Amino acid sequence: AQSVTQPDIHITVSEGASLELRCNYSYGATPYLFWYVQSPGQGLQLLLKYFSGDTLVQGIKGFEAEFKRSQSSFNLRKPSVHWSDAAEYFCAVGPYNNNDMRFGAGTRLTVKP
Amino acid sequence: DAGITQSPRHKVTETGTPVTLRCHQTENHRYMYWYRQDPGHGLRLIHYSYGVKDTDKGEVSDGYSVSRSKTEDFLLTLESATSSQTSVYFCAISADRGTEAFFGQGTRLTVV
Repeated sequence: AQSVTQPDIHITVSEGASLELRCNYSYGATPYLFWYVQSPGQGLQLLLKYFSGDTLVQGIKGFEAEFKRSQSSFNLRKPSVHWSDAAEYFCAVGPYNNNDMRFGAGTRLTVKP
Repeated sequence: DAGITQSPRHKVTETGTPVTLRCHQTENHRYMYWYRQDPGHGLRLIHYSYGVKDTDKGEVSDGYSVSRSKTEDFLLTLESATSSQTSVYFCAISADRGTEAFFGQGTRLTVV
Protein backbone atom coordinates (compact mmCIF):
# COMPACT_ATOMS: atom_id res chain seq x y z
CA ALA A 1 0.00 0.00 0.00
CA GLN A 2 1.10 3.53 -0.67
CA SER A 3 2.00 5.41 2.49
CA VAL A 4 4.11 8.14 3.99
CA THR A 5 6.00 7.75 7.27
CA GLN A 6 7.55 10.46 9.37
CA PRO A 7 9.33 8.51 12.10
CA ASP A 8 9.87 11.45 14.46
CA ILE A 9 6.79 12.89 16.14
CA HIS A 10 8.70 15.64 17.92
CA ILE A 11 12.22 17.00 17.53
CA THR A 12 13.98 19.64 19.62
CA VAL A 13 17.06 21.43 18.33
CA SER A 14 19.03 24.43 19.54
CA GLU A 15 18.94 27.62 17.56
CA GLY A 16 21.82 27.63 15.10
CA ALA A 17 22.09 23.84 15.00
CA SER A 18 21.49 21.80 11.89
CA LEU A 19 18.23 20.01 11.27
CA GLU A 20 17.16 16.87 9.46
CA LEU A 21 13.57 15.68 9.37
CA ARG A 22 12.97 12.22 8.03
CA CYS A 23 10.38 11.07 5.52
CA ASN A 24 9.99 7.60 4.08
CA TYR A 25 7.41 6.60 1.54
CA SER A 26 5.97 3.54 -0.08
CA TYR A 27 4.95 4.11 -3.68
CA GLY A 28 4.75 2.01 -6.82
CA ALA A 29 6.55 4.42 -9.12
CA THR A 30 8.55 7.61 -8.87
CA PRO A 31 6.36 9.90 -6.82
CA TYR A 32 5.94 13.60 -6.59
CA LEU A 33 7.30 14.58 -3.17
CA PHE A 34 6.55 17.61 -1.04
CA TRP A 35 7.39 19.20 2.26
CA TYR A 36 4.94 21.57 3.91
CA VAL A 37 5.22 23.65 7.05
CA GLN A 38 2.38 24.65 9.36
CA SER A 39 2.67 27.35 11.97
CA PRO A 40 0.18 27.24 14.86
CA GLY A 41 -3.33 28.18 13.77
CA GLN A 42 -2.31 28.48 10.15
CA GLY A 43 -2.72 26.57 6.95
CA LEU A 44 0.04 24.62 5.27
CA GLN A 45 2.72 26.35 3.27
CA LEU A 46 4.74 24.57 0.60
CA LEU A 47 8.47 24.50 1.41
CA LEU A 48 9.69 22.55 -1.59
CA LYS A 49 8.79 19.88 -4.09
CA TYR A 50 10.40 17.17 -6.18
CA PHE A 51 8.96 15.99 -9.47
CA SER A 52 12.01 14.81 -11.41
CA GLY A 53 15.60 15.70 -12.26
CA ASP A 54 18.15 16.81 -9.71
CA THR A 55 17.55 14.83 -6.54
CA LEU A 56 18.63 17.69 -4.28
CA VAL A 57 15.98 20.38 -4.27
CA GLN A 58 16.09 23.80 -2.74
CA GLY A 59 13.12 25.42 -1.12
CA ILE A 60 12.10 28.54 0.67
CA LYS A 61 13.45 29.70 4.03
CA GLY A 62 16.80 27.98 3.48
CA PHE A 63 15.45 24.43 3.44
CA GLU A 64 16.55 21.67 1.12
CA ALA A 65 15.59 18.04 0.64
CA GLU A 66 17.18 15.07 -1.05
CA PHE A 67 15.32 12.34 -2.89
CA LYS A 68 16.96 8.96 -2.42
CA ARG A 69 15.22 6.37 -4.51
CA SER A 70 17.19 3.44 -3.08
CA GLN A 71 16.07 4.36 0.44
CA SER A 72 12.58 5.57 -0.48
CA SER A 73 13.34 8.71 1.45
CA PHE A 74 12.93 12.44 1.07
CA ASN A 75 14.56 14.00 4.12
CA LEU A 76 14.33 17.71 4.83
CA ARG A 77 17.43 19.59 5.98
CA LYS A 78 18.49 23.03 7.11
CA PRO A 79 22.07 23.90 8.07
CA SER A 80 21.20 26.42 10.77
CA VAL A 81 17.82 26.56 12.46
CA HIS A 82 16.21 29.85 13.48
CA TRP A 83 13.67 30.27 16.28
CA SER A 84 11.05 31.14 13.67
CA ASP A 85 11.37 27.63 12.19
CA ALA A 86 9.46 26.19 15.13
CA ALA A 87 6.38 24.65 13.53
CA GLU A 88 4.97 21.36 12.35
CA TYR A 89 6.37 19.83 9.18
CA PHE A 90 4.55 17.48 6.87
CA CYS A 91 5.90 15.27 4.13
CA ALA A 92 3.51 14.41 1.31
CA VAL A 93 3.51 12.07 -1.67
CA GLY A 94 1.43 12.16 -4.82
CA PRO A 95 -0.37 11.52 -6.99
CA TYR A 96 -2.40 8.99 -5.08
CA ASN A 97 -5.28 7.38 -6.91
CA ASN A 98 -4.18 9.68 -9.73
CA ASN A 99 -5.61 12.72 -8.10
CA ASP A 100 -4.42 13.72 -4.68
CA MET A 101 -1.51 13.57 -2.29
CA ARG A 102 -1.11 11.72 0.98
CA PHE A 103 0.47 13.17 4.06
CA GLY A 104 2.64 11.86 6.82
CA ALA A 105 1.53 12.36 10.42
CA GLY A 106 3.86 15.32 10.85
CA THR A 107 6.94 16.21 12.89
CA ARG A 108 6.72 19.00 15.43
CA LEU A 109 9.90 21.05 15.67
CA THR A 110 10.80 22.92 18.85
CA VAL A 111 13.74 25.34 18.74
CA LYS A 112 15.62 26.01 22.00
CA PRO A 113 17.21 29.41 22.50
CA ASP B 1 -0.66 33.63 -1.13
CA ALA B 2 -3.11 31.64 -3.20
CA GLY B 3 -6.62 33.05 -3.12
CA ILE B 4 -8.42 30.52 -0.96
CA THR B 5 -11.03 31.52 1.58
CA GLN B 6 -12.68 29.14 4.00
CA SER B 7 -15.82 30.01 5.90
CA PRO B 8 -16.59 29.93 8.69
CA ARG B 9 -13.21 29.87 10.43
CA HIS B 10 -14.67 28.56 13.65
CA LYS B 11 -17.92 26.77 14.40
CA VAL B 12 -19.46 25.01 17.35
CA THR B 13 -22.46 22.85 16.60
CA GLU B 14 -24.59 20.26 18.31
CA THR B 15 -24.60 16.55 17.59
CA GLY B 16 -27.12 15.65 14.92
CA THR B 17 -27.26 19.02 13.21
CA PRO B 18 -26.24 19.59 9.59
CA VAL B 19 -23.16 21.70 8.93
CA THR B 20 -21.80 23.15 5.69
CA LEU B 21 -18.30 24.46 5.24
CA ARG B 22 -17.41 26.59 2.26
CA CYS B 23 -14.24 26.93 0.26
CA HIS B 24 -13.87 29.69 -2.28
CA GLN B 25 -10.91 30.09 -4.66
CA THR B 26 -9.92 32.87 -7.03
CA GLU B 27 -7.16 30.92 -8.83
CA ASN B 28 -9.36 29.04 -11.31
CA HIS B 29 -7.66 25.76 -10.33
CA ARG B 30 -9.30 22.59 -11.53
CA TYR B 31 -8.76 20.44 -8.45
CA MET B 32 -10.19 21.16 -5.01
CA TYR B 33 -9.84 19.05 -1.90
CA TRP B 34 -11.21 18.78 1.60
CA TYR B 35 -8.90 17.39 4.27
CA ARG B 36 -9.33 16.94 7.98
CA GLN B 37 -6.44 17.30 10.38
CA ASP B 38 -6.31 15.36 13.63
CA PRO B 39 -3.38 14.88 16.01
CA GLY B 40 -1.28 11.87 15.05
CA HIS B 41 -2.95 11.47 11.67
CA GLY B 42 -1.62 14.35 9.64
CA LEU B 43 -4.07 15.36 6.96
CA ARG B 44 -6.55 12.87 5.58
CA LEU B 45 -8.50 13.37 2.41
CA ILE B 46 -12.28 13.50 2.75
CA HIS B 47 -13.45 14.30 -0.78
CA TYR B 48 -12.03 15.98 -3.81
CA SER B 49 -13.26 17.52 -7.03
CA TYR B 50 -11.68 17.46 -10.46
CA GLY B 51 -14.15 19.80 -12.11
CA VAL B 52 -17.60 21.31 -11.83
CA LYS B 53 -20.00 18.60 -10.68
CA ASP B 54 -17.14 16.06 -10.71
CA THR B 55 -16.32 14.77 -7.26
CA ASP B 56 -14.97 11.61 -5.69
CA LYS B 57 -14.39 10.11 -2.27
CA GLY B 58 -11.19 10.19 -0.31
CA GLU B 59 -10.01 7.90 2.46
CA VAL B 60 -12.34 9.22 5.21
CA SER B 61 -15.53 10.13 3.34
CA ASP B 62 -18.16 8.46 5.56
CA GLY B 63 -20.56 11.02 7.00
CA TYR B 64 -19.55 13.74 4.54
CA SER B 65 -20.85 14.94 1.21
CA VAL B 66 -19.59 17.61 -1.17
CA SER B 67 -20.82 19.71 -4.03
CA ARG B 68 -19.17 21.85 -6.66
CA SER B 69 -21.58 23.85 -8.78
CA LYS B 70 -19.01 26.47 -9.80
CA THR B 71 -15.28 26.29 -10.41
CA GLU B 72 -14.58 28.60 -7.52
CA ASP B 73 -16.73 27.01 -4.80
CA PHE B 74 -16.45 23.64 -3.08
CA LEU B 75 -18.84 22.86 -0.24
CA LEU B 76 -18.41 20.22 2.44
CA THR B 77 -21.55 19.07 4.26
CA LEU B 78 -21.84 17.04 7.40
CA GLU B 79 -25.39 15.74 7.13
CA SER B 80 -25.68 14.92 10.83
CA ALA B 81 -22.67 16.00 12.83
CA THR B 82 -21.09 13.62 15.33
CA SER B 83 -18.46 14.21 17.99
CA SER B 84 -15.94 12.20 15.93
CA GLN B 85 -16.15 14.92 13.30
CA THR B 86 -14.67 17.48 15.65
CA SER B 87 -11.55 18.46 13.76
CA VAL B 88 -9.79 21.13 11.78
CA TYR B 89 -10.87 21.12 8.15
CA PHE B 90 -8.66 22.36 5.35
CA CYS B 91 -9.54 23.15 1.81
CA ALA B 92 -6.81 22.88 -0.81
CA ILE B 93 -6.54 23.56 -4.52
CA SER B 94 -4.18 22.43 -7.23
CA ALA B 95 -3.83 23.12 -10.93
CA ASP B 96 -3.14 19.52 -11.87
CA ARG B 97 -3.50 16.07 -10.40
CA GLY B 98 -1.23 15.29 -7.48
CA THR B 99 0.82 18.42 -7.93
CA GLU B 100 1.50 20.98 -5.26
CA ALA B 101 -1.57 22.02 -3.36
CA PHE B 102 -2.28 25.38 -1.81
CA PHE B 103 -4.17 25.43 1.44
CA GLY B 104 -6.74 27.63 3.06
CA GLN B 105 -6.46 28.79 6.65
CA GLY B 106 -8.67 26.04 7.99
CA THR B 107 -11.99 25.76 9.81
CA ARG B 108 -12.04 24.58 13.40
CA LEU B 109 -15.24 22.62 13.93
CA THR B 110 -16.37 21.47 17.35
CA VAL B 111 -19.33 19.12 17.69
CA VAL B 112 -20.78 19.05 21.21
